Amino acid sequence: GAVVSQHPSRVICKSGTSVKIECRSLDFQATTMFWYRQFPKKSLMLMATSNEGSKATYEQGVEKDKFLINHASLTLSTLTVTSAHPEDSSFYICSARDPGGNSPLHFGNGTRLTVT
Amino acid sequence: AQTVTQSQPEMSVQEAETVTLSCTYDTSESDYYLFWYKQPPSRQMILVIRQEAYKQQNATENRFSVNFQKAAKSFSLKISDSQLGDAAMYFCAGGSGTYKYIFGTGTRLKVLA
Repeated sequence: GAVVSQHPSRVICKSGTSVKIECRSLDFQATTMFWYRQFPKKSLMLMATSNEGSKATYEQGVEKDKFLINHASLTLSTLTVTSAHPEDSSFYICSARDPGGNSPLHFGNGTRLTVT
Repeated sequence: AQTVTQSQPEMSVQEAETVTLSCTYDTSESDYYLFWYKQPPSRQMILVIRQEAYKQQNATENRFSVNFQKAAKSFSLKISDSQLGDAAMYFCAGGSGTYKYIFGTGTRLKVLA
């Protein structure tokens, strides 16, 4: 089945630094990937849609300059949290959809970001 | 705009019994798909079952089945013969051909031994 790999699974960084999270589709090509954020015991909030070869589409209220998304190839999207602050601490999950028909979203295992 | 609503923050079920989790949705899209995802404590999102909104027949996957009421825009999940491993957060989600998926707020399912 379709596999999405996300790395790292956990990261701790200091305030003011930047952190990059990678999302890879391992056995299929994904022209579109999605980045979600999940607060403790809350639902998944769509942050942005990552489009291969073009700019990402951000949801309302998401700062595009803080959350930089790059989708340089059909199997890799990256999310960079720039100038991280403690309030950026959260669980970030990427997902991708196999372009075949009505296939569901396949999720990475998520990244727990802690900003100290 | 799409919305997905789960009105049950938490549900409990005795092991081996049956439980139904509720979900309603609203969309103007005709090409629409509905999903139930399970999120155990590991936080990995696991697809449980999916339903194409244009199909009348309810989807079934082993102990999991849906009750899809298109007119009411209702998409409930029935878990039969509940097992301890079914304990998790369950999210209902909907999406269209635009690929944008919206998730409900989730239902925490507890399975009592």
